[in-house]
Amino acid sequence: DTGVSQDPRHKITKRGQNVTFRCDPISEHNRLYWYRQTLGQGPEFLTYFQNEAQLEKSRLLSDRFSAERPKGSFSTLEIQRTEQGDSAMYLCASSFEPTGGNSPLHFGNGTRLTVT
Amino acid sequence: LAKTTQPISMDSYEGQEVNITCSHNNIATNDYITWYQQFPSQGPRFIIQGYKTKVTNEVASLFIPADRKSSTLSLPRVSLSDTAVYYCLVGDTRGTGRRALTFGSGTRLQVQP
Repeated sequence: DTGVSQDPRHKITKRGQNVTFRCDPISEHNRLYWYRQTLGQGPEFLTYFQNEAQLEKSRLLSDRFSAERPKGSFSTLEIQRTEQGDSAMYLCASSFEPTGGNSPLHFGNGTRLTVT
Repeated sequence: LAKTTQPISMDSYEGQEVNITCSHNNIATNDYITWYQQFPSQGPRFIIQGYKTKVTNEVASLFIPADRKSSTLSLPRVSLSDTAVYYCLVGDTRGTGRRALTFGSGTRLQVQP
């Protein structure tokens, strides 16, 4: 178990640029989540996938944000035309969800985005 | 999703037992209660999960009364390294329903020497 890996760890970009983040979940996990966290707040849910299907999107996820998980393994989160308000830590988590019980989320250490 | 209420912050000293209580008055029948710990610049880390009564693992205990409208995370003999933010989450992630977990603002625990 190598854990959830996120790349890059830090990203500084200018307003208006596009950025893309990558998440590699734990290999046998079928669910993948994206959260956003600003300073002093808890993580806010953005979206999640079961295998390659995107099952839920938060109202926080404007049309500048898009997430994909094309083969049900790694995922990418793209932000187009970044704004200063997009500055945050973007967290990825994965879990394995069988038909019974609740599996805990395993989080990566996030990508910190700074928009200047 | 059930809303949770936790104290914003708590202070303790090394070696003491710390109890953090979370209120979740509108918990649903199928909801589980899960606690996470988060250090600065890291993602949250799973601590413990329960449905009812008491659950214990190597790092914590979770007490859930019969009405399940609250839960208490108990950390025995805390050390400086337990200084972190602790989140209580309530939800049911089974199936493919729209039940993604929502974090509140958490409880900031500060452990003093």
